[in-house]
Amino acid sequence: GQNIDQPTEMTATEGAIVQINCTYQTSGFNGLFWYQQHAGEAPTFLSYNVLDGLEEKGRFSSFLSRSKGYSYLLLKELQMKDSASYLCAVMDSNYQLIWGAGTKLIIKP
Amino acid sequence: ETGVTQTPRHLVMGMTNKKSLKCEQHLGHNAMYWYKQSAKKPLELMFVYSLEERVENNSVPSRFSPECPNSSHLFLHLHTLQPEDSALYLCASSPKSGTSGSPLHFGNGTRLTVT
Repeated sequence: GQNIDQPTEMTATEGAIVQINCTYQTSGFNGLFWYQQHAGEAPTFLSYNVLDGLEEKGRFSSFLSRSKGYSYLLLKELQMKDSASYLCAVMDSNYQLIWGAGTKLIIKP
Repeated sequence: ETGVTQTPRHLVMGMTNKKSLKCEQHLGHNAMYWYKQSAKKPLELMFVYSLEERVENNSVPSRFSPECPNSSHLFLHLHTLQPEDSALYLCASSPKSGTSGSPLHFGNGTRLTVT
């Protein structure tokens, strides 16, 4: 079967750096997405990786290793507003999105 | 108004009621989706419409009935629901279905409680 694994919850300190990991086993690969979802709000798109390597976008970066079935989302200079759930999703060979259960990130002052 | 708008934001209904969820997108997209989000579970795809035609139905119970009258509007008609159907129902749109690279744009969801 197809599966996405990510930690259920993480805690970090304001101003610090946190890395949220995502591992996947899917039938084929057509890209990996990261979304941010604040409580009670819509998931919003953060990043898309289809080739190996690091994509940087301001304080957020996303890394992909297709051979390892692994990605991470790196958040730098954490702010209280970064407290949210982070969803990892992989598009398989049929262009179906396979979703992880999300990682709830708690930022403490 | 821009983006994807869902109404109502909250809905409480009894198991014998009939209600409808509405979604509207102002992005000019051709594909629209219904997802179910339960606590600590992955998003579950329910229905996909592309250019107003249903292209996918992921074995959803018949008590959920979608309707897509045009590419900007999507409805989810609900009847005789069960308590386990309580969840956040998210609508999303994308330029096209079945292609890589284009992210989904989500609405804020309808929080449904079945009593």
